[in-house]
Amino acid sequence: EVQLVESGGGLVQPGGSLRLSCAASGFTFSSYSMNWVRQAPGKGLEWVSYISSSSSTIYYADSVKGRFTISRDNAKNSLYLQMNSLRDEDTAVYYCARGPQPSGYYYKYWGQGTLVTVSS
Amino acid sequence: EIVLTQSPGTLSLSPGERATLSCRASQSVSSSYLAWYQQKPGQAPRLLIYGASSRATGIPDRFSGSGSGTDFTLTISRLEPEDFAVYYCQQYGSSPFTFGGGTKVEIK
Repeated sequence: EVQLVESGGGLVQPGGSLRLSCAASGFTFSSYSMNWVRQAPGKGLEWVSYISSSSSTIYYADSVKGRFTISRDNAKNSLYLQMNSLRDEDTAVYYCARGPQPSGYYYKYWGQGTLVTVSS
Repeated sequence: EIVLTQSPGTLSLSPGERATLSCRASQSVSSSYLAWYQQKPGQAPRLLIYGASSRATGIPDRFSGSGSGTDFTLTISRLEPEDFAVYYCQQYGSSPFTFGGGTKVEIK
């Protein structure tokens, strides 16, 4: 069974940093591209970032480019999102997500999400 | 960036009725790379449709997707009580892989 478990969320002040993790199990992590998607409280979904299976291809939403860094450790079956220079508008539940196929850009499998709150 | 506009914002219907949700793109979505998701409160989204019209594994056949280019539709043929939720479209033909603002299907 595919499982994605996010961690690392919490309360951080504007301008601060946070590192999210996503622990994957139930599939060959190193074969699949991965994504981060977020959802502000009471709002819609926003795609944040994509990383290919080998980390050779990475994409970011314009809203986080230059501030967030996606990475992965295939030996540890883990996906990461380093978030710097956090703003109030980054407050959201952050989901890691995977497609049904190795290189999918749409998402069949989602974690339960981790809440990031940016506030002074 | 491709902007997806979903309409209506809210759809008030009764169980057994037909629901028609629209997703319009600001430019053509390549190869009909459009997906639909259902989300219920406190839950992660659930993939319903990919490739504009292909149902994901385990999705009931009352859900169907259609369209191409800039206009896409999700149809729920007969609403079941568990179908009342928020629905999102997403284009994945080009980065950034944008989502629409969502349509809430509520019980009338």
